[in-house]
Amino acid sequence: DGGITQSPKYLFRKEGQNVTLSCEQNLNHDAMYWYRQDPGQGLRLIYYSQIVNDFQKGDIAEGYSVSREKKESFPLTVTSAQKNPTAFYLCASSIQDSINQPQHFGDGTRLSIL
Amino acid sequence: SQKIEQNSEALNIQEGKTATLTCNYTNYSPAYLQWYRQDPGRGPVFLLLIRENEKEKRKERLKVTFDTTLKQSLFHITASQPADSATYLCALDTIYGQNFVFGPGTRLSVLP
Repeated sequence: DGGITQSPKYLFRKEGQNVTLSCEQNLNHDAMYWYRQDPGQGLRLIYYSQIVNDFQKGDIAEGYSVSREKKESFPLTVTSAQKNPTAFYLCASSIQDSINQPQHFGDGTRLSIL
Repeated sequence: SQKIEQNSEALNIQEGKTATLTCNYTNYSPAYLQWYRQDPGRGPVFLLLIRENEKEKRKERLKVTFDTTLKQSLFHITASQPADSATYLCALDTIYGQNFVFGPGTRLSVLP
């Protein structure tokens, strides 16, 4: 069954610590995305990647980093520079980075601060 | 400033009635608009896409309209069921360096 797998489902970060959220897809999609969701707000784009070894900043990239070494994997690192990291993080993919393509989402990682 | 709004944070309706959710936008000129369903603790699931030159799109009990003059999309669920209870998000494309911008969502509760 094809889909997007995010892990872990829950993650806790200590002050000054970097944490990495995993996102894997077996849909053979070219484009992948990371969003942050806060209560009462829409999804906000952190980073996106149209192709392996290439990625672009979204609206709220500060304090985050990504890599795209393999087509199926797009991990997100929340660095200590991100001062308000508590949120629900969603990874998505689409066939291509085209505005007329639906996005397929994982079930998210909820990050909290210890 | 650019803004995308969904009519209300929460909407309660009786089972069997038609639910109507609204998505309004300001200072965007989208060519496409999408609707997603999100259940608690889960990722959004794509429902429908409508293009700017389409007035209406249907899929089973779902209907979406897109009025570029009013800058509004309406999302209807006919013969609503308790299983339709979820948060519904609209998303539109933007030329301002993003692929999509999402609205805050409307939490729909269908009461038996």
